[in-house]
Amino acid sequence: GENVEQHPSTLSVQEGDSAVIKCTYSDSASNYFPWYKQELGKRPQLIIDIRSNVGEKKDQRIAVTLNKTAKHFSLHITETQPEDSAVYFCAASPRYKLSFGAGTTVTVRA
Amino acid sequence: GAVVSQHPSWVICKSGTSVKIECRSLDFQATTMFWYRQFPKQSLMLMATSNEGSKATYEQGVEKDKFLINHASLTLSTLTVTSAHPEDSSFYICSATSDRGSGNEQFFGPGTRLTVL
Repeated sequence: GENVEQHPSTLSVQEGDSAVIKCTYSDSASNYFPWYKQELGKRPQLIIDIRSNVGEKKDQRIAVTLNKTAKHFSLHITETQPEDSAVYFCAASPRYKLSFGAGTTVTVRA
Repeated sequence: GAVVSQHPSWVICKSGTSVKIECRSLDFQATTMFWYRQFPKQSLMLMATSNEGSKATYEQGVEKDKFLINHASLTLSTLTVTSAHPEDSSFYICSATSDRGSGNEQFFGPGTRLTVL
């Protein structure tokens, strides 16, 4: 099955700086790569996703890049704000199931 | 659109009892529903995939006789944790894919916190 690795496990950034989270996947059939933000005790919230026919996607302060050849994708958050503090999960989907990374706890220092 | 609800949001039960969790798609028909379990400070682990009217497909290591899944309609799936034990205490989250969507995108319910005493 699909195996997704996510780094780093924790990330502390100064407010206003950028945050980058990286993931790798194993199944070359994966064609959908969502990123989720999860606050304590809440459901995962989709913040951005990318499909395998696109290399980069941006939505305001959030961007995702995908390198299919290397099988890795990254989340970039610019101009971080305290409300960006949460756990972020990447995921990969070869068909209809999602395989999640282990998560990154992001802390934005004011 | 694409709202998924879960009930109950939390439940506390005694060891040995059974607990049923409902997952509903409120404004769309769910072609497929998924059940995840999430332990504290860990990721979401897929337990099973279910399609309306057919048997659920369980992931390796998940006991199908312990975690009973029923997907009786296109808007409702239930997960029953039978003979619950303290190690079953976890956050259970369902998700669904929409008949109107791309097929891959999953819409998540708010989760159910199960505590087994």
